[in-house]
This record gives sequence, C-alpha cells and structure tokens, in this order.
Amino acid sequence: GQQVMQIPQYQHVQEGEDFTTYCNSSTTLSNIQWYKQRPGGHPVFLIQLVKSGEVKKQKRLTFQFGEAKKNSSLHITATQTTDVGTYFCAGHNNAGNNRKLIWGLGTSLAVNP
Amino acid sequence: EAGVVQSPRYKIIEKKQPVAFWCNPISGHNTLYWYRQNLGQGPELLIRYENEEAVDDSQLPKDRFSAERLKGVDSTLKIQPAELGDSAVYLCASSFHGAKNIQYFGAGTRLSVL
Repeated sequence: GQQVMQIPQYQHVQEGEDFTTYCNSSTTLSNIQWYKQRPGGHPVFLIQLVKSGEVKKQKRLTFQFGEAKKNSSLHITATQTTDVGTYFCAGHNNAGNNRKLIWGLGTSLAVNP
Repeated sequence: EAGVVQSPRYKIIEKKQPVAFWCNPISGHNTLYWYRQNLGQGPELLIRYENEEAVDDSQLPKDRFSAERLKGVDSTLKIQPAELGDSAVYLCASSFHGAKNIQYFGAGTRLSVL
C-alpha cells in the first residue's frame, strides 16, 4: 500500500543550528501537509503544499514540495528551544479518495539550549 | 470559537473492561476522524465519518471497537473489552470539506489499560 517515509526519525541539535526533515512517498501525492506535535500535545497544522516545486516560508521554517510531488522537506533555520517537538508530514494520494491522509512516522526534534 | 473537544483527557482501566471516548468537532465540520497514536508513532486512522456516515473504517478492529456519530455532529468511540495493547492516545480530529481538508485535532484521551 501507499507509504510515506520520514527521515531522520530523531534529531538532536544545538540551539542556533539548522534542522531538516525529509518526507518521501511511494506514490504521487496531490498535496502534502505538515503538522507539529509538541511533547504531550496534539498535532497542529502548519502548512499545505499543492503545486509541483512549491516553496513556502513561515518565518524560520521553509517547506518544499518536490517536482514529482513525491517528496517534501521542512527546513528550520537557527533552531530555538520552542521548535522542540515531532514534525509529521501527511499526504493525500493523487487519485481516488482524496481525503485520506497518509501519515509519516514523524521526526522528533530535540534542541539543546 | 471552541476547537475540537474530547473527553475524558485520561482514562485508566483494567483489561477486559469497556471504555468510551467522546468527541465534539468544530462547529460546521462535516468530517470527523478517530486516530490512535502509540508512543513515538504517527497517528493511525481508525475511522472517518462524512456527516453521519462512516466512509473509511478499514483500520478499525471491529471485534472490539465501535464508533457512532448518530446526528453527524459529536461522536463516541468504544472499546469492549479493552486489552493491554489498546493503551495509547486516542485523537479526534475534524475538517471541513472544501477547506483544503486541514485537520484540527483535539487534545486526545490517554488510555492506560492495566
């Protein structure tokens, strides 16, 4: 079945360092969403990418959607302790039931002050 | 505007006991999701409702799990009987069809089965 893989599974960085998580789908996606889950919290929507090659920025966060719409990345510049949490990508498949999100397993980010 | 409301926040039960979780989605959201999330894992969809219709329950263990959304608004997820492996966080989410299907999650119910 359709799978969405995320790497790395865990990442420890020093505050101020950059961080990137990658998301890869086994099939073409119609769109991809990114969520952030703080420790003990629930997933919170960050952004959705729809177009091939799309790049969106939110302050220090940069999101990219690959040209083939099968991969995506989230890059955080100069991490802060408030960035701690697990980042999930979730994609809608390109055909059929468009409202079923396929979730990645997430990348857990720890930031040392 | 209130977000997705779930209750209870925590539940501790002994195995073989029944348990129920309740979810009230954001007003106007016609799609409701129940997820299970194990520690260190991503959310796993159990069931999705479009209004009162369950349109995807392929991952719901139907021998012990049941769900309902009778009036197309709030929903209940039940486990009977609970097993040790059911310990997890049960998340409810809702979305509005046509609004990019962005899912808004409740705080979840953390279930511990002893």
